[in-house]
Amino acid sequence: DVKVTQSSRYLVKRTGEKVFLECVQDMDHENMFWYRQDPGLGLRLIYFSYDVKMKEKGDIPEGYSVSREKKERFSLILESASTNQTSMYLCASSSATTYEQYFGPGTRLTVT
Amino acid sequence: SQQGEEDPQALSIQEGENATMNCSYKTSINNLQWYRQNSGRGLVHLILIRSNEREKHSGRLRVTLDTSKKSSSLLITASRAADTASYFCATVTSGTYKYIFGTGTRLKVLA
Repeated sequence: DVKVTQSSRYLVKRTGEKVFLECVQDMDHENMFWYRQDPGLGLRLIYFSYDVKMKEKGDIPEGYSVSREKKERFSLILESASTNQTSMYLCASSSATTYEQYFGPGTRLTVT
Repeated sequence: SQQGEEDPQALSIQEGENATMNCSYKTSINNLQWYRQNSGRGLVHLILIRSNEREKHSGRLRVTLDTSKKSSSLLITASRAADTASYFCATVTSGTYKYIFGTGTRLKVLA
């Protein structure tokens, strides 16, 4: 079974802190994605990566950056956390040929 | 940003009934997918339909796609209490790996 793991299920950070969310997949997938999910807004794409060291902005990249140094690992960085970044963050991966996305369990981030 | 829209936003049915939810989108797509999410967990892939397909079945699931109307529907037949979840459609924009998710339909199946 494909497994996508995220570093934390719940995280509480203070405004202005630098926050790292890490995602690891074990299926050698080329593509990896970071979404945030908010009530009534569905999933919104923050960034995605289709290869090591490659990244593309999604719909809401402001306030976020990403890093993909190894194929299996995709990190989301909040440079200076703000309260409006309180959300559920979901990581996903997919093969470049099959398109089916596999999701991690999510990290519920609260910024106070 | 462009966003898919699901309809209805919420649906409540009795066990054994069929559930139909609809999705509309705006871009030219490579494929459309449906996902299920149980109560604050990660999403699980259900079914994928390519832009050149009109209908697809998987177990109790039936998906249709009308590219001229930019819409899709998901039918769950003979629903069970375990089908209670949120359902999302996602489109993959042609020529990219970019996924656009809808806002979801919350389905409640009453035993």
